[in-house]
Amino acid sequence: KAGVTQTPRYLIKTRGQQVTLSCSPISGHRSVSWYQQTPGQGLQFLFEYFSETQRNKGNFPGRFSGRQFSNSRSEMNVSTLELGDSALYLCASSIQGGSGELFFGEGSRLTVL
Amino acid sequence: GESVGLHLPTLSVQEGDNSIINCAYSNSASDYFIWYKQESGKGPQFIIDIRSNMDKRQGQRVTVLLNKTVKHLSLQIAATQPGDSAVYFCAEHTSGTYKYIFGTGTRLKVLA
Repeated sequence: KAGVTQTPRYLIKTRGQQVTLSCSPISGHRSVSWYQQTPGQGLQFLFEYFSETQRNKGNFPGRFSGRQFSNSRSEMNVSTLELGDSALYLCASSIQGGSGELFFGEGSRLTVL
Repeated sequence: GESVGLHLPTLSVQEGDNSIINCAYSNSASDYFIWYKQESGKGPQFIIDIRSNMDKRQGQRVTVLLNKTVKHLSLQIAATQPGDSAVYFCAEHTSGTYKYIFGTGTRLKVLA
């Protein structure tokens, strides 16, 4: 069974640009969550989607957005990039969200110059 | 590999010894907890979980202890091996929130 797939794995952007990251969950998993990981703040929750609906959103500015498609694949977008957005963005999937194991992808490492 | 955290607390143990990693969680209403292991350049990997109606759960070489009175979790690794070297995170979940709150992490170094 294929794991959680995130693309791209690495990307470099400049301030003011925008970026879109993609996540394909494990087959049969309908919940997708996104986390931002930085050395200073650790893993911070961004949002969670289930059946194309956002059920929770973390404490991030409106520049951070996401969506989920009918096949459970998810994307997140960060607009007007700032230096502080440099981080590893992790996607995790689970069968239906809530309590239960989260399966993480390898992450997308974003560097903002 | 990439560094997960440059200033994480570090636990150094001799190969073959037992390791104990501690975590204080934040919400007394949290009802489910997971320990994750993260190796350099990889995403977090599930180790073991425990629900709030339990105070101990054992897996293969790992044991998780939950003390709800003081909001404390610990992960015990028996006969620590070089492959156990990684950063370990605890994560808590509160029913209805659909999110996990992660601890700051502990770096485990296994000395040969």
